[in-house]
Amino acid sequence: TQLLEQSPQFLSIQEGENLTVYCNSSSVFSSLQWYRQEPGEGPVLLVTVVTGGEVKKLKRLTFQFGDARKDSSLHITAAQTGDTGLYLCAGAGAGTASKLTFGTGTRLQVTL
Amino acid sequence: GAGVSQTPSNKVTEKGKYVELRCDPISGHTALYWYRQSLGQGPEFLIYFQGTGAADDSGLPNDRFFAVRPEGSVSTLKIQRTERGDSAVYLCASSLGLAGAAGELFFGEGSRLTVL
Repeated sequence: TQLLEQSPQFLSIQEGENLTVYCNSSSVFSSLQWYRQEPGEGPVLLVTVVTGGEVKKLKRLTFQFGDARKDSSLHITAAQTGDTGLYLCAGAGAGTASKLTFGTGTRLQVTL
Repeated sequence: GAGVSQTPSNKVTEKGKYVELRCDPISGHTALYWYRQSLGQGPEFLIYFQGTGAADDSGLPNDRFFAVRPEGSVSTLKIQRTERGDSAVYLCASSLGLAGAAGELFFGEGSRLTVL
């Protein structure tokens, strides 16, 4: 079973602060995705990373895939209240690309 | 509509009853997924269809759970003899192909099931 542990589980910060969310596993993934989910809605894809060591930027969000393709991080610069939500990493295994395994989730709350 | 549609949005039932949850994927998407999500947790994989066939049903918790997709479009998740532990939000997603590097999953808003 591929397990993706996210840390922290919950993060409450003020607008303008920086933060990093971690996604760790003992398994190797062929690719990893990050989703954001708001209450009452389904998750929405933010980014897909495929190559070990890959870094992708999406405005104030920076995503990194670990060199060994077992872990990933999401860094948000100058957080805004609109960043509030549940952040989920999700990995596709090398032999089970059809089965996307989601992480435990990080709930982010950004206040004024 | 343009997105994934799930019905009902809310379902309250009694322990032991039978429940059906429906998913209408994005037109043209061949892959369809069912996940289950408990409050504050990440979605848990249940089953994946490629076309009409269940390509991977390893996440179904037991034989009370069954899903079909007879014409390769709409899918129904069926739960027999519901138990209180089945209470969760059931999410459906569709994609053009395989998950992961091959593409993006588009999720519906989910069906919230409450078993009393």
